[in-house]
Amino acid sequence: NAGVTQTPKFQVLKTGQSMTLQCAQDMNHNSMYWYRQDPGMGLRLSYYSASEGTTDKGEVPNGYNVSRLNKREFSLRLESAAPSQTSVYFCASSARTALRGYTFGSGTRLTVV
Amino acid sequence: QQQVKQSPQSLIVQKGGISIINCAYENTAFDYFPWYQQFPGKGPALLIAIRPDVSEKKEGRFTISFNKSAKQFSLHIMDSQPGDSATYFCAASPGSARQLTFGSGTQLTVLP
Repeated sequence: NAGVTQTPKFQVLKTGQSMTLQCAQDMNHNSMYWYRQDPGMGLRLSYYSASEGTTDKGEVPNGYNVSRLNKREFSLRLESAAPSQTSVYFCASSARTALRGYTFGSGTRLTVV
Repeated sequence: QQQVKQSPQSLIVQKGGISIINCAYENTAFDYFPWYQQFPGKGPALLIAIRPDVSEKKEGRFTISFNKSAKQFSLHIMDSQPGDSATYFCAASPGSARQLTFGSGTQLTVLP
């Protein structure tokens, strides 16, 4: 099915461990995004990529790095996980404009202990 | 700094009632205002969106009302159904080609 695929769906990390969240879309969208969702705070943007080869910081970039590997794939890396990074992470993509909306993946629930 | 403020945080409505969720924004450069619906365990999905050149947009039971002078917009769900129970997010962006800023979300429960 067409859409945004995120892996893994669940992950538990120990403080200081590293991991990469993977995201791939098959809709030929130009733009991709990483949001984190925390209770009472809505969705906050960590990083986005307006097009292949470009990445920019969002509202909450600290502690994360991203790679736009190609047009389809956009990964989010935690180099040294902290308990404050416990959250649900959503990857999304959109065409050049967002008029048709973002397409979100089903999320990665990350717990850092 | 929260650029899009959403209220209420939670809302309980009887089946057949009207659900109203409000949002206010600060950035006058915002000119695209979508609403997203999220079911448990799923990612958000676009529900309806409005541009500031109109004051109201209706799609089925869902209506967005927009007040540019007050910098406020709201979602009205008419004849609310238990299947509408979900979390609703308002959002805004300075142009449809720019990234969205989301509100904090409203958890809607429609009682049967």
